Amino acid sequence: DTQMTQSPSSLSASVGDRVTISCRASQTVNAYVNWYQQKPGKAPKLLIYAATSLLSGVPSRFSGSGSGTDFTLTISSLQPEDFATYYCQQSFSSPRTFGQGTKVEIK
Amino acid sequence: QVQLQESGPGLVKPSQTLSLTCTVSGGTIRTDGYYWSWIRQHPGKGLEWIGFISHRGSTYYNPSLQGRATISVDTSENRFSLNLNSVTAADTAVYYCARDHYFDNTGYDAFDIWGQGTTVTVSS
Repeated sequence: DTQMTQSPSSLSASVGDRVTISCRASQTVNAYVNWYQQKPGKAPKLLIYAATSLLSGVPSRFSGSGSGTDFTLTISSLQPEDFATYYCQQSFSSPRTFGQGTKVEIK
Repeated sequence: QVQLQESGPGLVKPSQTLSLTCTVSGGTIRTDGYYWSWIRQHPGKGLEWIGFISHRGSTYYNPSLQGRATISVDTSENRFSLNLNSVTAADTAVYYCARDHYFDNTGYDAFDIWGQGTTVTVSS
């Protein structure tokens, strides 16, 4: 299985801050990485697919980068509604696997 | 607007079979370019992919479940189901169904639509 490791596990930030979340795959996954946002008690929501493609309707302050084994999700200016847990996921091979999550909290 | 809705018992006894159904509304399950997945989340933990099925019945399962999972599809009812046998307390989780969307001809896919999730507790 391909392991996905996120860092940090949690972070505190203020509204307006630029936030970066990293995800590393245990083997190359090319650009087959997706990013999800999950709020408490809710299902995850897809933000970015294929490492860099923003899903239609997702605010442009979200962006993704990377290829191979190292990937990044960036929120350019954190908004109050962005406080949530973020997960990366690889779709290069089965079984599909997720990172352990990064919780973004209010500073 | 496609929507997914999970249904099934919230409490299952140890050693029994967990059975859940995901009903697809607002669109047909009989569409190429989509697979239909089950994903679970243990309390306070991350996400675990269980497996998926195509509308033609092709399946793939996570080996971590050691052959206990079976996913089936009923295209006439526009729904798909999960059976997980020999459950233990370790199977207590929120279970989600999700659509695995293959984007155009890129080969890239992602879970773009999710059900709201259903909590299943394994306890006697």
